[in-house]
Amino acid sequence: DAGVIQSPRHEVTEMGQEVTLRCKPISGHDYLFWYRQTMMRGLELLIYFNNNVPIDDSGMPEDRFSAKMPNASFSTLKIQPSEPRDSAVYFCASSPRQNTEAFFGQGTRLTVV
Amino acid sequence: AQSVTQLGSHVSVSEGALVLLRCNYSSSVPPYLFWYVQYPNQGLQLLLKYTSAATLVKGINGFEAEFKKSETSFHLTKPSAHMSDAAEYFCAVSNKAGTALIFGKGTTLSVSS
Repeated sequence: DAGVIQSPRHEVTEMGQEVTLRCKPISGHDYLFWYRQTMMRGLELLIYFNNNVPIDDSGMPEDRFSAKMPNASFSTLKIQPSEPRDSAVYFCASSPRQNTEAFFGQGTRLTVV
Repeated sequence: AQSVTQLGSHVSVSEGALVLLRCNYSSSVPPYLFWYVQYPNQGLQLLLKYTSAATLVKGINGFEAEFKKSETSFHLTKPSAHMSDAAEYFCAVSNKAGTALIFGKGTTLSVSS
């Protein structure tokens, strides 16, 4: 398997624009996670899915953030409208079951100017 | 709530010296614990995991960690540092349901020649 695949790797956008980050998890994994990494706050769990169903979105910072998982092989994280404080590295990860490790993608570095 | 605390945001060692990165956890249930490594501009890679099978856990690249319930610790060690070990290291604990990982703030390891 190619691992967790994220796109794009880098995104630069202007404040107010819509941003969509994409993720393809490892085939057969039941859990999918979105994390955000910043210098100030470290790695924060934004939302996670189990079998395509959102389980906990308490980490989503504001209503400007939304995530979907229309099928087992694809998920999106959308920010609309984007703000400079959203600049961060966003990671997608997947896991095959409970109480085991998560496998991370390479991340998307988002810069909002 | 489940949490981990990594003591020391930066650790510097000489090549060949012992590496010790500290992690203390808080958990209301028997914990599942993990150490990850992150190289610049990359995703997180699993080093090792504790899942209650053995208190001394061996991982990749010569790293190991010991689970000490009495001290609520899971410190990461390596007998002899190599230049290629320079990276950021994250300790993580499973949430109460075992369905997601909660990460510490990370420790940056520098290795000098």
